[in-house]
Amino acid sequence: AQRVTQPEKLLSVFKGAPVELKCNYSYSGSPELFWYVQYSRQRLQLLLRHISRESIKGFTADLNKGETSFHLKKPFAQEEDSAMYYCALQAGTALIFGKGTTLSVSS
Amino acid sequence: GAGVSQTPSNKVTEKGKYVELRCDPISGHTALYWYRQSLGQGPEFLIYFQGTGAADDSGLPNDRFFAVRPEGSVSTLKIQRTERGDSAVYLCASSLGARNTEAFFGQGTRLTVV
Repeated sequence: AQRVTQPEKLLSVFKGAPVELKCNYSYSGSPELFWYVQYSRQRLQLLLRHISRESIKGFTADLNKGETSFHLKKPFAQEEDSAMYYCALQAGTALIFGKGTTLSVSS
Repeated sequence: GAGVSQTPSNKVTEKGKYVELRCDPISGHTALYWYRQSLGQGPEFLIYFQGTGAADDSGLPNDRFFAVRPEGSVSTLKIQRTERGDSAVYLCASSLGARNTEAFFGQGTRLTVV
């Protein structure tokens, strides 16, 4: 079955602390994975995709096919990183989303 | 336009009524998607259009749900005989192509069935 699992509903960290948002997937083919972010009162938007191997706003994510994971990481969290984060898997033409993790960064 | 536009932003309807939700995609985007997001869940795929045709409607939950995109631009999601379980945020997204291209989301329509 095609599935995306984000085990943490809420992650609270202090400003400057490292952040890791976990994402595990189940997919029989070659996965295409994404992280989407939704800031308060804003629309859902793409943060990064694994094929680009890019760093956006200091966030990176590495696809680990052995562990079927695509965890999102940032070495030093900022208050403006507080948002809802969704991991998504491209399955055919559709995106399959996880349930999301709320990241709360406090000073 | 500036982005994907969805109207109305909020809709309250009575159980059993018919509703239409509208999506204006970004100009030039041939791919259009509808998703449904229930409370505490991630967006759930409903239907995908490439141009005017529904290329994948496997996510529609039942035959009360229908969507059209007659001219390959604006799309309308139609829900007949609404039920309380249909209450959710309905999201529309568009992209230049189906794969490996960024999907841009609208703000969503919050549907409440009372």
